[in-house]
Amino acid sequence: QKEVEQNSGPLSVPEGAIASLNCTYSDRGSQSFFWYRQYSGKSPELIMSIYSNGDKEDGRFTAQLNKASQYVSLLIRDSQPSDSATYLCAVRHTGKLIFGQGTTLQVKP
Amino acid sequence: DVKVTQSSRYLVKRTGEKVFLECVQDMDHENMFWYRQDPGLGLRLIYFSYDVKMKEKGDIPEGYSVSREKKERFSLILESASTNQTSMYLCASSLFGAGGADGELFFGEGSRLTVL
Repeated sequence: QKEVEQNSGPLSVPEGAIASLNCTYSDRGSQSFFWYRQYSGKSPELIMSIYSNGDKEDGRFTAQLNKASQYVSLLIRDSQPSDSATYLCAVRHTGKLIFGQGTTLQVKP
Repeated sequence: DVKVTQSSRYLVKRTGEKVFLECVQDMDHENMFWYRQDPGLGLRLIYFSYDVKMKEKGDIPEGYSVSREKKERFSLILESASTNQTSMYLCASSLFGAGGADGELFFGEGSRLTVL
């Protein structure tokens, strides 16, 4: 079992819709969770971090964490074509960041 | 602005060649990392360093070595390149530790290596 798992997609949503990206992790003791965005041909960049159960909102982005079920999700409201990218879930484990394989999001005009 | 610079964007090497990938950061970060990124596998940690002359193995160190003689520079070395090392290599740095206190890694633009 991979330590951090994501559905590779692609996930296709129409412009203006809510995109929901999901991630599960195997280490129950993990404490810190992150979402990175990677545009095609570019490097990843951090967009959200979450440490406590519940929701964390930042503009159109909401990160959700459920430690009991060992999943973390990212919601993107009012999706725009410029949100089309690969979204990488990352979990801090034994002092390292472990990345999932990423979910490709396509937002269609 | 935060800057992580990788010396080569594209390299083509032959099997058995020695390959050096250089990375320089200008943020005075203590921590530097080398990842490789392959389709369907995400980013996998090869080596990292918390201080000058210090190195730690990541998840896939086999076939690689690293060097950190100066704080700002972290080099990845492929002693004898093989075709299964064809990949995108990403260097990153952070301020507070592996992933930083807030998880922020600053990545370079990447070096795409092809081994023939």
